[in-house]
Amino acid sequence: SYELTQSPSVSVSPGQTARITCSGHALPTQYAYWYQQKSGQAPLMVIYKDTKRPSGIPARFSGSSSGTTVTLTITGVQAEDEADYYCQSADTSGVYVFGLGTKVTVL
Amino acid sequence: QVVQSGAEVKKPGASVNVSCRASGYVFTDYYMHWVRQAPGEGLEWMGWINSKTGDTKYAQTFQGRVTLTRDKSKRTAYMEIMTLRPDDTAVYYCARKSLSESNGYDIWGQGTLVTVSS
Repeated sequence: SYELTQSPSVSVSPGQTARITCSGHALPTQYAYWYQQKSGQAPLMVIYKDTKRPSGIPARFSGSSSGTTVTLTITGVQAEDEADYYCQSADTSGVYVFGLGTKVTVL
Repeated sequence: QVVQSGAEVKKPGASVNVSCRASGYVFTDYYMHWVRQAPGEGLEWMGWINSKTGDTKYAQTFQGRVTLTRDKSKRTAYMEIMTLRPDDTAVYYCARKSLSESNGYDIWGQGTLVTVSS
């Protein structure tokens, strides 16, 4: 079955930049989505269609795509950004998958 | 918004049905996806239902044990898991996704905790 590979953890100081990568063989042809999940809460979409930011999501969140890898970048990390982040995509048959998640720790 | 049914406690081998009631948007313009999260674990995609046609797609892990349905008149989607096992203990979420746009899960339910224990 299709898998997405994420780095397990990222630690960053406030004001620094956090980059989270997600790799999958179908990513060149299928959109990626990024979800933020804080402890005890439902996930929240922060990026859709690889690079689009939903209304209400701060501009410090951005997405990019290159080949089989997509990247979520948080520029100027704030303490409130500490959370788990999941990438999601689909294969060509409409079956979706999440990456295992990346824990972002703000030092 | 989408509002899910309340927490459930079930014994192994039983079935559970979780509902997801939509309001404030055209129900049939969206898929309803289902995602679960076991304690301390990541998100696991389970499947989707096309709210307009009733077509479904399941993750291979759940094929044959999970059934997704919807009632258009009630604006409600349902997820049934049969033959529950202790490792089905998880929070189950529904989330809507546009039929026509690749806009991701813009609205999530609050989650339903299902506990499977003898």
